[in-house]
Amino acid sequence: GENVEQHPSTLSVQEGDSAVIKCTYSDSASNYFPWYKQELGKRPQLIIDIRSNVGEKKDQRIAVTLNKTAKHFSLHITETQPEDSAVYFCAASIRGNKLVFGAGTILRVKS
Amino acid sequence: DADVTQTPRNRITKTGKRIMLECSQTKGHDRMYWYRQDPGLGLRLIYYSFDVKDINKGEISDGYSVSRQAQAKFSLSLESAIPNQTALYFCATSRGGNQPQHFGDGTRLSIL
Repeated sequence: GENVEQHPSTLSVQEGDSAVIKCTYSDSASNYFPWYKQELGKRPQLIIDIRSNVGEKKDQRIAVTLNKTAKHFSLHITETQPEDSAVYFCAASIRGNKLVFGAGTILRVKS
Repeated sequence: DADVTQTPRNRITKTGKRIMLECSQTKGHDRMYWYRQDPGLGLRLIYYSFDVKDINKGEISDGYSVSRQAQAKFSLSLESAIPNQTALYFCATSRGGNQPQHFGDGTRLSIL
């Protein structure tokens, strides 16, 4: 079955710097890749997603890139702010049926 | 606002007890999911349902069962709870395949 690996498990950055989180997936048929942000004690919330027919997608300070050949995708956060501190999860969809999640990255933005 | 509601929010119970976690949604979505979250393991799929007559096992279904009572309701049961089922449980919904999933606030379950 599908397997999603996420790195790093923890990431500390200075406020204003960029943060990059990377995920790899195993099933070449996966075609939908969402990213979720989970603040402490809260529910996971979608922040951005990308489909396999697109190589990059941006939404203000957040961007996601997809490399189908290498089977990896990355989340880029620019100009980080303290409110970006949270756990971030990547996921991959198996043929539109279900999501497989990565283990998560704890992002700490130091002010 | 349309939402996904889970009850209870917290539950402490003893080994061997039967427990039901409930999920209801006002989003009008057909697809519903149950996940378990453990530290360092992300979100793992327990069961999912694409409509009232459709139930599918996820990657960690052993020890769990589900019931889809209506389009808006999807409940998760632990027939005989054991301590290693202590976790945070999330329900989610989606409009269809390759569509965003919307999560409830979660149920924190502790089994002593």
